[in-house]
Amino acid sequence: TQLLEQSPQFLSIQEGENLTVYCNSSSVFSSLQWYRQEPGEGPVLLVTVVTGGEVKKLKRLTFQFGDARKDSSLHITAAQPGDTGLYLCAGRRVNEKLTFGTGTRLTIIP
Amino acid sequence: GAVVSQHPSWVICKSGTSVKIECRSLDFQATTMFWYRQFPKQSLMLMATSNEGSKATYEQGVEKDKFLINHASLTLSTLTVTSAHPEDSSFYICSARDFSGIYNEQFFGPGTRLTVL
Repeated sequence: TQLLEQSPQFLSIQEGENLTVYCNSSSVFSSLQWYRQEPGEGPVLLVTVVTGGEVKKLKRLTFQFGDARKDSSLHITAAQPGDTGLYLCAGRRVNEKLTFGTGTRLTIIP
Repeated sequence: GAVVSQHPSWVICKSGTSVKIECRSLDFQATTMFWYRQFPKQSLMLMATSNEGSKATYEQGVEKDKFLINHASLTLSTLTVTSAHPEDSSFYICSARDFSGIYNEQFFGPGTRLTVL
């Protein structure tokens, strides 16, 4: 059973557009992470959020943790072809293992 | 940052043979390592958690006799796929947890693509 549902599952947009990816759960997490994975490689950590309502920015990427720590979003401004990849959220509950979301495959068209 | 390596990066084997995949933490000690499996266009699914010096804990539905895990040192864990079959073909990714970090961060290896003919 997937505890973390991501939407959309697939997203293909033009270079320069903005987009938001959502990560939702009915469970409360002590921390939530976002990863990007490229084909044939392992996932690379982008950010960790731990406080409800927390917002973190990484250049053109903005991450937000929901107030209740059950959901998160990733917003990309002015997407570039280099942003193409599989984006995965992953949540950790206290003293439990990391659980990955269903994934969002993003394609940026030049 | 912390680096996790895997070897081999890809392997092709015949059905019925066994394959061993190594996972190493290169610049930190990892008391806990995790093994994930990822099928095409899907997310990562945790197979097992291995703690140094003790038996691995397997997730529901993962056959422990088929996927043998050994975590003999603080920097090395191995996954052996025994009597491999075509349905075992997948991308296997290991991860090591760095307990010295504030968030108990996990670092992921680059993955091993297994193809069973």
